[in-house]
Formats: sequence, structure tokens, C-alpha cells
Amino acid sequence: DTEVTQTPKHLVMGMTNKKSLKCEQHMGHRAMYWYKQKAKKPPELMFVYSYEKLSINESVPSRFSPECPNSSLLNLHLHALQPEDSALYLCASSQAPGYRGYTFGSGTRLTVV
Amino acid sequence: QQQVKQSPQSLIVQKGGISIINCAYENTAFDYFPWYQQFPGKGPALLIAIRPDVSEKKEGRFTISFNKSAKQFSLHIMDSQPGDSATYFCAASLSTGANNLFFGTGTRLTVIP
Repeated sequence: DTEVTQTPKHLVMGMTNKKSLKCEQHMGHRAMYWYKQKAKKPPELMFVYSYEKLSINESVPSRFSPECPNSSLLNLHLHALQPEDSALYLCASSQAPGYRGYTFGSGTRLTVV
Repeated sequence: QQQVKQSPQSLIVQKGGISIINCAYENTAFDYFPWYQQFPGKGPALLIAIRPDVSEKKEGRFTISFNKSAKQFSLHIMDSQPGDSATYFCAASLSTGANNLFFGTGTRLTVIP
């Protein structure tokens, strides 16, 4: 298995809703990443997990809450989002922190209404 | 501050033509330069990558040219096909740190039949 699987593919949520994005990989990768990508822009790093521990939080608002329950799974919990948070949320993984080969998932298209 | 500058922003090429995308960087600590291809609604996928001790790398119709002294690198797509229509991101990577991948701004390539 050489894929990063993200669910759901699409999500529409209201500003008062609580939802979660899920990311899964079975490649034995020990670094996992959350990126946010707005239209016609490059991906922007949000969080990095190294060996299941949060190692980087790029000043992301607290309405985004990451969780890494085990080495294969990464969640992003969403609460009280704003319309400007609408974007493609990408998960990626790499063999180890600092390893060059990133594998990206197909993303979750999030729309906040 | 944009660590990697990319041009052009968009590119239209006839089928069979050569597509050329250019990138430049300042940080001489970068030691790995990948190119990612992203189709609409999908995550970026690694296309080809080069290290600075090599001036050129070719994989099929895709070639990276690297000029270490000028701190520039470029992607050439030979015999461009409509299926190559996508957004291309150059990137630069450091050998250390959990956040070690820096994207260019992206080029939207359209290949006209």
C-alpha cells in the first residue's frame, strides 16, 4: 500500500458545526503532515507529527485541532470555522521527519457556510 | 518571504511543444529540489527530483535542468500532451528539520490539442 487515504473527499459544514477530517497511511511512515491549500496557491503547512508527537504548529488558529492516535492515523478536528477556512486540506506522510519523499493524499475539499 | 520563486504563473503550449517552467531560490542550504504535479481535485504527486550535485536529470519526457551557481532550476516537458495539463509546483528541501519542504507559487500548464 503506497497511498495516503483521506476521508471525506468533500465536506460542507456550518460555522457552529464540529467535524473531523481523517487521514490514514499504511506505509510505515513516521512523519505526517496537514496542509491547507487555497485555490491557485501552493500548499501551506499547518501541522507536523513526528513519531506520533506534534512537532510543528505553524501558528494555526485553535479552531483546528490535530490528533495522531497512532502511527497510521491522523485526524484534524474542526470547530467554529469561518468561511475563509474553506480550502482543500491535504494530508501527507514521509518515511521519517526530514525525509524527502512526501506522499500526499487527494485531500478533503472543505466548504464552510 | 517566498523561499522559492516560480515563473510563469500560467503557460499555454501546443500539443507536441516544449513546456518550460523556471524556479529560483536563495537559501544555499537547500539540497533537494522536487517537482510536484497536481491535477484538479487531487493532491500533489512527486514528478521528478534532483540534487545539486547533478546538472540535469531526465525521466521520460520530463527533464530538470539545475544551475547551482545561479541558484536556478527548471522543468522541461518535451512533446507536451493534453494529459500534462495540470499545476506544477517546484520545491526546495532542507536536510534537517521537520518542516523542510518549501513550495514555489505554482504554474498552471494548459496543453492545447
